[in-house]
Amino acid sequence: DTGVSQDPRHKITKRGQNVTFRCDPISEHNRLYWYRQTLGQGPEFLTYFQNEAQLEKSRLLSDRFSAERPKGSFSTLEIQRTEQGDSAMYLCASSPRGYGYTFGSGTRLTVV
Amino acid sequence: SQKIEQNSEALNIQEGKTATLTCNYTNYSPAYLQWYRQDPGRGPVFLLLIRENEKEKRKERLKVTFDTTLKQSLFHITASQPADSATYLCALDRGYGGSQGNLIFGKGTKLSVKP
Repeated sequence: DTGVSQDPRHKITKRGQNVTFRCDPISEHNRLYWYRQTLGQGPEFLTYFQNEAQLEKSRLLSDRFSAERPKGSFSTLEIQRTEQGDSAMYLCASSPRGYGYTFGSGTRLTVV
Repeated sequence: SQKIEQNSEALNIQEGKTATLTCNYTNYSPAYLQWYRQDPGRGPVFLLLIRENEKEKRKERLKVTFDTTLKQSLFHITASQPADSATYLCALDRGYGGSQGNLIFGKGTKLSVKP
């Protein structure tokens, strides 16, 4: 197992376009998390899955954001009608418990 | 509201010295506290976890303390090396009665170890 994989590593998109990111967690981890991180800040929670169930979604997350984890395996995070304020590093993490997360290297999104 | 503060944005020390980083929190009663290391352009890497009923935890050159009365954790790196240069993040669960599903992170402290 090579850890948590995220794709793509970098994404540049024009304002108003939709983007989708993929995360492949460690296969035996049933918990999967999405975080967003901007420069000089710590990771900010977006949403959390346990198996295929989305158990929590941040109140800060607008309706333009949606995440799925079909069959409790990989996950996708979609942002519709991107805005410049969406520019950030999007991090995925997985864990077998509620601690000791294994993070991926992230997808850096730039909205121009 | 719940709040986590890490003592400084940056800490510069000389190689061989002990680095001490501070994490303070308010309006929480976390069940455990974690420390992560993050290098530029990479995701955080889990280092240590300490539970509310533990006072101290060690791993090689790392030591973490947890004082639930002061609502504070100290993270020590002894015999520091230039390779220890990174940003160190403190993270807490939301505590009893809160969500069990995610961690809240501090902003991090950027440690620079000079040779």
